[in-house]
Amino acid sequence: GQNIDQPTEMTATEGAIVQINCTYQTSGFNGLFWYQQHAGEAPTFLSYNVLDGLEEKGRFSSFLSRSKGYSYLLLKELQMKDSASYLCAVFFTGGGNKLTFGTGTQLKVEL
Amino acid sequence: DAGVTQSPTHLIKTRGQQVTLRCSPKSGHDTVSWYQQALGQGPQFIFQYYEEEERQRGNFPDRFSGHQFPNYSSELNVNALLLGDSALYLCASSLTRNEQFFGPGTRLTVL
Repeated sequence: GQNIDQPTEMTATEGAIVQINCTYQTSGFNGLFWYQQHAGEAPTFLSYNVLDGLEEKGRFSSFLSRSKGYSYLLLKELQMKDSASYLCAVFFTGGGNKLTFGTGTQLKVEL
Repeated sequence: DAGVTQSPTHLIKTRGQQVTLRCSPKSGHDTVSWYQQALGQGPQFIFQYYEEEERQRGNFPDRFSGHQFPNYSSELNVNALLLGDSALYLCASSLTRNEQFFGPGTRLTVL
C-alpha cells in the first residue's frame, strides 16, 4: 500500500518550535503537501515539496528527503492559533492528481 | 474570486436513503476531486472528475457515484446510506497537478 505515517498527537508551548514528521513509501513518489486543518474546517495549503531540501515560508518550513521517504513540517514561534491538525499528503505516480493523506497530527499549543 | 464552494453545509439522513452533495470549483480550475474524512482521520480519496469523466477512483463501493457538468461543477451521490457513511465530505479543485484547493465540506450524518 501507499502508507503515510505521522504522529497522532503533539503538544508544544506558545513561542516554541515544533517539528512534525511524516514518512511515506518511496516507490512512485511524485510530490508532498502539508495542509493545516482547524476543527470543522477545510484543509488549507501550507507547503509543497517535490525536490530534496528545505522550503521556508514565514514561520513555517517544510523539508523533504526523497531517498529516505521522509518529510517534516517545522513551526516556529508557535501561537495559540496554530493548534490544529496537520496533514501530510503525497502524490504517487500513476495516481494522477489524487492525493493520499496521512491520518494527521493533532497539535495542541499550550501557554 | 470565489474559492471552492460546497452545498449543503450540513445534512442529516437515515439509513437506506440517498444523498446528493454539490461542489463548484475555484474559478479557472477544471478538475474536481472528492474526499471522505471520518472524525480523527485524514481525507480518503473517493474519485476525481476531469472533462466530465471519472478519471480516478479510490476504494469506495459503487454506491458512491458522481458527475461533472460542462461548467466544471460536480455532484457526489451516495445511495443506500449506511451509518458508516457519516463523515465530512470534501471537494477539492485543481488545475493539472497543482495545489488542490479544498471547499468547506459537507457534514453528513446518517442516523
